[in-house]
Amino acid sequence: EPEVTQTPSHQVTQMGQEVILRCVPISNHLYFYWYRQILGQKVEFLVSFYNNEISEKSEIFDDQFSVERPDGSNFTLKIRSTKLEDSAMYFCATNPARDEDEKLFFGSGTQLSVL
Amino acid sequence: AQSVTQLDSHVSVSEGALVLLRCNYSSSVPPYLFWYVQYPNQGLQLLLKYTSAATLVKGINGFEAEFKKSETSFHLTKPSAHMSDAAEYFCAVTRNTGGFKTIFGAGTRLFVKA
Repeated sequence: EPEVTQTPSHQVTQMGQEVILRCVPISNHLYFYWYRQILGQKVEFLVSFYNNEISEKSEIFDDQFSVERPDGSNFTLKIRSTKLEDSAMYFCATNPARDEDEKLFFGSGTQLSVL
Repeated sequence: AQSVTQLDSHVSVSEGALVLLRCNYSSSVPPYLFWYVQYPNQGLQLLLKYTSAATLVKGINGFEAEFKKSETSFHLTKPSAHMSDAAEYFCAVTRNTGGFKTIFGAGTRLFVKA
């Protein structure tokens, strides 16, 4: 089965630093998402992205966050100035989005640790 | 607004015993419901999905779920637990807000005892 690839698998950064998390979506998929999961907590929606623009974002996705697909391949999540509470597992997900019953294909995540 | 509630944060069963993971949904329109599984250090994988074609849905690894509109439930079951079933299970609902947003429940961690 095709896979969503995320890099890096682990990222350690100092508070206030910028981080970029990368995702390579499945090639014929049209919708891209970022979710995060703080240790021991639920998987939370951050943002959805379609046709090179944000479709929807949660209240978590504030001005410190941004997404883009600069080269038509990688889908990135940037956190401009990291905070301690940004420490979490970040998952990229994609789907063809032909219909609401399409499943999400998840990457294996990037564990972000902010010190 | 569509949402899901998982009633148990942890479930512990013995190997060979019945697995029951509970999920209730709230939706003003027919929902698209999913169960995902997350093994340690991995992303989420689809177990099964409900799309109104049949109320009893069979998924991978022997799991199934029954959609009960009268109870607004979509509980996940497996007749006989294996050690390999130990994982985190998430109930989810997708709604079309222009971006087919999927909302996850808080998750249920399944422990399987030998």
